[in-house]
Amino acid sequence: EVQLVESGGGLVQPGGSLRLSCAVSGFTFRSHWMHWVRQAPGEGLMWVSRIDIDGRSTDYADSVKGRFTISRDNDKNMLYLQMNSLRAEDTAVYYCARDYSWNQADYWGQGTLVIVSS
Amino acid sequence: QSALTQPRSVSGSPGQSVTISCTGTSSDIGRYNYISWYQQHPGKAPTLIISDVNRRPSGVPDRFSGSKSGNTASLTISGLQAEDEADYHCCSCAGTHPFVLFGGGTRLTVL
Repeated sequence: EVQLVESGGGLVQPGGSLRLSCAVSGFTFRSHWMHWVRQAPGEGLMWVSRIDIDGRSTDYADSVKGRFTISRDNDKNMLYLQMNSLRAEDTAVYYCARDYSWNQADYWGQGTLVIVSS
Repeated sequence: QSALTQPRSVSGSPGQSVTISCTGTSSDIGRYNYISWYQQHPGKAPTLIISDVNRRPSGVPDRFSGSKSGNTASLTISGLQAEDEADYHCCSCAGTHPFVLFGGGTRLTVL
């Protein structure tokens, strides 16, 4: 059974940092691109970042570029999102998702909530 | 403001059909057939219900169908059931940054 489990969310002050983790199982992690997608309260989905199978190629939404860093450890079956210089508008549920084909995500985690507030 | 445009809400009665549109541009929906739709119930994670414009993953009822015409993709749900009440999000591959575009989501209400 494919499983993605996020962790690391919580309450952080503006300007602070958090590292999200996504533990995956049930599939060959190193064979799939991966994504982070977020959803602000009451809003739609917003793509945040993606990473290729060996971590050499990454892309980011303009709103997080330069502040967030996506990475992966294929030996540990782990996906990460390092978030620095957090802003109130980064408040959202963050989902990790497996890329099935051409930026289409077939499995999603349950999400982890990040709240940026003083 | 989302990159792809969806109606904020649609509604229908049980047994009826509804169609949700998703409008993009010639650089995304109009150019690629990598269009997906996700169903999201309140408080839950999204689940894939349509990929590649009109492909249903295993386990998704054939009441759900997808199509595309020009720069607009559509999701049609026929034979509406109470459990179809949810938010629906479209997504398209794009040829340039940011490469992945979502719509703003559509709330489906089953009357």
